[in-house]
Amino acid sequence: DAMVIQNPRYQVTQFGKPVTLSCSQTLNHNVMYWYQQKSSQAPKLLFHYYDKDFNNEADTPDNFQSRRPNTSFCFLDIRSPGLGDTAMYLCATRGSSGNTIYFGEGSWLTVV
Amino acid sequence: DAKTTQPNSMESNEEEPVHLPCNHSTISGTDYIHWYRQLPSQGPEYVIHGLTSNVNNRMASLAIAEDRKSSTLILHRATLRDAAVYYCIRGYGGATNKLIFGTGTLLAVQP
Repeated sequence: DAMVIQNPRYQVTQFGKPVTLSCSQTLNHNVMYWYQQKSSQAPKLLFHYYDKDFNNEADTPDNFQSRRPNTSFCFLDIRSPGLGDTAMYLCATRGSSGNTIYFGEGSWLTVV
Repeated sequence: DAKTTQPNSMESNEEEPVHLPCNHSTISGTDYIHWYRQLPSQGPEYVIHGLTSNVNNRMASLAIAEDRKSSTLILHRATLRDAAVYYCIRGYGGATNKLIFGTGTLLAVQP
């Protein structure tokens, strides 16, 4: 059974129209990550949470925001998507005492 | 640069061993070396990780150089299902253990 679940799997949105991607986990892990992966590129870390502590990567655009209302759920909000934000967005989790990071299947976002 | 260096692509024949190299010359003493692989249209999948000693699991082996500036992922008998992009990743950031991906190696497996 999937342990990191992302919804929706596929989303098409219009330029400038806010979009929210969700991630849920059944692992009770402290740490949750959001990565962006553009076509033929490696995943790029956007930000992560350690419990409720939010850590933004220095080069993550302000357009990208995140919320973590509880341990199980984390959301990625893109306030005004541009064409360049078309990508797969990956959610991942890790327990505080472990080294393995578990990835979801990804949410494919297309901005038109 | 914190990222690792890998060949862009490699080829292997089915049922033969595969050695995937990785350079991480700027690695610090507490950084783990992680390997993940990614099949098309899927999220990355954990393969193996290590710190100093060589590691084995059911999927692969990881050989780490004594100076820790390089490592090699070994698939003992490649199968067609092993065709994927393999990422060698330096894990750092203390408790949060951030994984910063490099470019990865695209492994093609020929029947």
